Amino acid sequence: NAGVTQTPKFRILKIGQSMTLQCTQDMNHNYMYWYRQDPGMGLKLIYYSVGAGITDKGEVPNGYNVSRSTTEDFPLRLELAAPSQTSVYFCASSYPATGNGYTFGSGTRLTVV
Amino acid sequence: DAKTTQPTSMDCAEGRAANLPCNHSTISGNEYVYWYRQIHSQGPQYIIHGLKNNETNEMASLIITEDRKSSTLILPHATLRDTAVYYCIVREIQGAQKLVFGQGTRLTINP
Repeated sequence: NAGVTQTPKFRILKIGQSMTLQCTQDMNHNYMYWYRQDPGMGLKLIYYSVGAGITDKGEVPNGYNVSRSTTEDFPLRLELAAPSQTSVYFCASSYPATGNGYTFGSGTRLTVV
Repeated sequence: DAKTTQPTSMDCAEGRAANLPCNHSTISGNEYVYWYRQIHSQGPQYIIHGLKNNETNEMASLIITEDRKSSTLILPHATLRDTAVYYCIVREIQGAQKLVFGQGTRLTINP
């Protein structure tokens, strides 16, 4: 059981480039989330999805886009990368039964130079 | 979501019980208390959650006060591998069930 898989693990982007961070889960979880974590800080919610075809903004959505065409996949798109987007990105999923915890991926470390 | 207040850092001796406090004085009746931890730069790991009763699992115990305004996470026999940042989060029962992370408590287990 792979859980939540994120790719790539590391990436260096130049300012203005674009990329997609991939997130896949094999637990049939309806809910999926994208967080970013800056050095020494807690995680901040970027976008989330409660099911295929449904997405919504979190605390810090500017500069990002998401899509959810399947239950398994929840890619995060960065358009026109900026140094402020240098961060570690975590994807998570959960099952909407009451009280279930999240399963997190291992993260993608992104540096924009 | 209600906000939580945790000490910035704590130390505990290996083999002793680590007691991590959390204040959530504005918690509402439809919100759970969750605890997660993050070891180094890994993804956060779920530890335990509760609504109003005390809870115990293989990792920890959670004690919630009767008024639900505070809670304590207990690691009964801390090991060096328990060194991590511990997050106390209150989360809605219904809806999107988003987790809002604060700064957490950096727990250091000393040999």
